[in-house]
Amino acid sequence: QKEVEQDPGPLSVPEGAIVSLNCTYSNSAFQYFMWYRQYSRKGPELLMYTYSSGNKEDGRFTAQVDKSSKYISLFIRDSQPSDSATYLCAMSLRRGAQKLVFGQGTRLTINP
Amino acid sequence: SQTIHQWPATLVQPVGSPLSLECTVEGTSNPNLYWYRQAAGRGLQLLFYSVGIGQISSEVPQNLSASRPQDRQFILSSKKLLLSDSGFYLCAWRGTGGIPMNTEAFFGQGTRLTVV
Repeated sequence: QKEVEQDPGPLSVPEGAIVSLNCTYSNSAFQYFMWYRQYSRKGPELLMYTYSSGNKEDGRFTAQVDKSSKYISLFIRDSQPSDSATYLCAMSLRRGAQKLVFGQGTRLTINP
Repeated sequence: SQTIHQWPATLVQPVGSPLSLECTVEGTSNPNLYWYRQAAGRGLQLLFYSVGIGQISSEVPQNLSASRPQDRQFILSSKKLLLSDSGFYLCAWRGTGGIPMNTEAFFGQGTRLTVV
């Protein structure tokens, strides 16, 4: 079993829709959770990070962590064509831990 | 501000040829440095990481090696490339200070390597 599981998609939705992206993980010791966005042929860029359980909102993006279920989500409201990218979840055991474990990435397309 | 440089952006190499990809970081000291590989449609596979000069940890046995000759320089090498070495190679750094410096990783723009 992979440490982090993420549905690779592809996911295609109309502009303006609410998008839900999810990851599950097996290691209950993970504490830091991140979402990266990667445009085609580019390096990933950090979108949001959260510590432990709870929600974090940044504009149209909301990151949610449920440690009891080992489940994290990224919600995108009022989706735009410019949100079309691959979204990768990542997590680490603790602050400063050497390793970040990534999900497979979900390819998202927002259709105008 | 911190920046990370990775080059070249694209590389086509014949099987059996050597490889050298370079990554440098500016604006920070003693970063953790990483090499990842991303196969088409797949996630990021950690290849090597380094917590200091000359300190390299290998995550998977492979045809590649890494070196860190200077604090902010990380090099990925191979003596003889295989077809299976094709992929998108990403260098990344993480800080070792307080939040948010040592939480998330910052990536370079990647090198697309095609072995023919």
